[in-house]
Amino acid sequence: AQKVTQAQTEISVVEKEDVTLDCVYETRDTTYYLFWYKQPPSGELVFLIRRNSFDEQNEISGRYSWNFQKSTSSFNFTITASQVVDSAVYFCALSEVRGTNAGKSTFGDGTTLTVKP
Amino acid sequence: ETGVTQTPRHLVMGMTNKKSLKCEQHLGHNAMYWYKQSAKKPLELMFVYNFKEQTENNSVPSRFSPECPNSSHLFLHLHTLQPEDSALYLCASSQDRHDRGFYGYTFGSGTRLTVV
Repeated sequence: AQKVTQAQTEISVVEKEDVTLDCVYETRDTTYYLFWYKQPPSGELVFLIRRNSFDEQNEISGRYSWNFQKSTSSFNFTITASQVVDSAVYFCALSEVRGTNAGKSTFGDGTTLTVKP
Repeated sequence: ETGVTQTPRHLVMGMTNKKSLKCEQHLGHNAMYWYKQSAKKPLELMFVYNFKEQTENNSVPSRFSPECPNSSHLFLHLHTLQPEDSALYLCASSQDRHDRGFYGYTFGSGTRLTVV
């Protein structure tokens, strides 16, 4: 069975601080995809990144960076120099490629990030 | 513009009312999903449709009735709801579930439902 754990329920930082959101996953599949989504107060979940299980290169996109480590089954998300607009709920998700769960995403419970001015 | 459009954005209904939520996508996706998001609770998958066929019903009460007339449209028909059904209902779509190149979900903005 696939499972995603986001242990941090809520995080509060002051603007310009760096913040890391943790994500730990479980899967029996050797091929899978990991995702991060952002849910601002407006409601919709916005896709941020997709990473497949064969690509452990870290990725940086502006102030966002992701650290994928298969050895620890983690896919952590770091925001550098946080801004108030980063305040949102962030979800980590996992999708297996094979089996009965193929293509279906399992979401973590989300981490609510509040960035204070 | 997210590519997945949900209407209405907000809905207030009495427990004896009948209403429908609508979801529409023109992304060429073949799978569509309904999720429920209650306050302080994680996302709950309700229904999955793949090529217009319902492939998953996560023990959802019968007062929620989904309908998928084609791959671009998904409805959630509501009747005799309870106050605890108040939540944000999110629609999502994706490419064919069994496509090895799985690119994740595209979500709509949701319908915020209040049952009074």
